[in-house]
Amino acid sequence: KAGVTQTPRYLIKTRGQQVTLSCSPISGHRSVSWYQQTPGQGLQFLFEYFSETQRNKGNFPGRFSGRQFSNSRSEMNVSTLELGDSALYLCASSLGAQRPSGATDTQYFGPGTRLTVL
Amino acid sequence: GQQVMQIPQYQHVQEGEDFTTYCNSSTTLSNIQWYKQRPGGHPVFLIQLVKSGEVKKQKRLTFQFGEAKKNSSLHITATQTTDVGTYFCAGNPSNTGKLIFGQGTTLQVKP
Repeated sequence: KAGVTQTPRYLIKTRGQQVTLSCSPISGHRSVSWYQQTPGQGLQFLFEYFSETQRNKGNFPGRFSGRQFSNSRSEMNVSTLELGDSALYLCASSLGAQRPSGATDTQYFGPGTRLTVL
Repeated sequence: GQQVMQIPQYQHVQEGEDFTTYCNSSTTLSNIQWYKQRPGGHPVFLIQLVKSGEVKKQKRLTFQFGEAKKNSSLHITATQTTDVGTYFCAGNPSNTGKLIFGQGTTLQVKP
């Protein structure tokens, strides 16, 4: 099975611009989660999409948005970029089942998109 | 808000020494997962613990979940240079479905 793919791998933008990142999950996975990784803040959860609906959301401003398509591919959009948005953006796919046992599906991470805002 | 704290942030060991990283949550967790991220790579799933007091082993790695389901640890016996990377714990508070990641512990191993 092919792994999670993310495009583009690297991106350079300037303040005020907007950007769209793409994530293709593992075939059969219906959940896609997005994370922001920075040296100072670690891995911060942005949001999770399951069956084209946002199922969970982290504590990021409204400039960060996402969507999921019927084929489970997901996009993340950041508008009005700020210098502090420079980070590695990781997406992770999983089957997405919510299990009564309390277990959570394994997250399979993509290679990430490294965004630099100048 | 919900937080998962992980210590230490960095650890340098001599090859062959043991290593432990600790994870503490401000709230009860339904489960905890551990991931490893090699330098320049992406996080890769290692294991999930669900039951109170659970202990799991993978070769030289031992994972524990506390009785109160608020803390966890990863212990590596006799480290090797291949163990280099950042180890993250990730907790699911009260079955919310969200994974809250700790800050990670970066392990350096001197040969």
